[in-house]
Amino acid sequence: DSGVTQTPKHLITATGQRVTLRCSPRSGDLSVYWYQQSLDQGLQFLIQYYNGEERAKGNILERFSAQQFPDLHSELNLSSLELGDSALYFCASSVVGDYNEQFFGPGTRLTVL
Amino acid sequence: AQSVTQLGSHVSVSEGALVLLRCNYSSSVPPYLFWYVQYPNQGLQLLLKYTSAATLVKGINGFEAEFKKSETSFHLTKPSAHMSDAAEYFCAVPLGTNAGKSTFGDGTTLTVKP
Repeated sequence: DSGVTQTPKHLITATGQRVTLRCSPRSGDLSVYWYQQSLDQGLQFLIQYYNGEERAKGNILERFSAQQFPDLHSELNLSSLELGDSALYFCASSVVGDYNEQFFGPGTRLTVL
Repeated sequence: AQSVTQLGSHVSVSEGALVLLRCNYSSSVPPYLFWYVQYPNQGLQLLLKYTSAATLVKGINGFEAEFKKSETSFHLTKPSAHMSDAAEYFCAVPLGTNAGKSTFGDGTTLTVKP
């Protein structure tokens, strides 16, 4: 158990819908990262937050957005969903952002029908 | 930009045999390199981390990796495979000064035969 929790574990929705994925980092970790893992794209970094502020952006679509709240939990919002958004979405956390070990949550499996 | 390449998307070994998973990094020497393991239906877990302090890095579960600058490689090895080692393994290198922007290799699925 990494100490990072993600909800829900599974999500099935339809094209065009909007969903919110939630992540609670390990106690004391200020950085939260979001990743997307799919068969065709592999593991892709989406975005990082550090203590409530956006710190780094990767291959995140404009239809996707994230935020980190004062209690340090984070939410990833996916809107206007397409079939291709079906993937595993991982959250990870670390103490700070630079070169520290990242602890990954169990992931949310999103299926868009 | 830094990148890593994992050679072989699938590796199959017999229980007790040597495990060798290959990772090559791009030509510029990275300050850090990582190996992560992903067991079925789980998130990634750090196996080991190269931080320039030592070229031979020991990780969890009996794995180790050797940084070879001359070969631009950071291959992962384990002397004797166990059934519980069956998983997907990812090599990763951080981009710039932020490990969150790590670029991950495509992964190597390790199968261990009884």
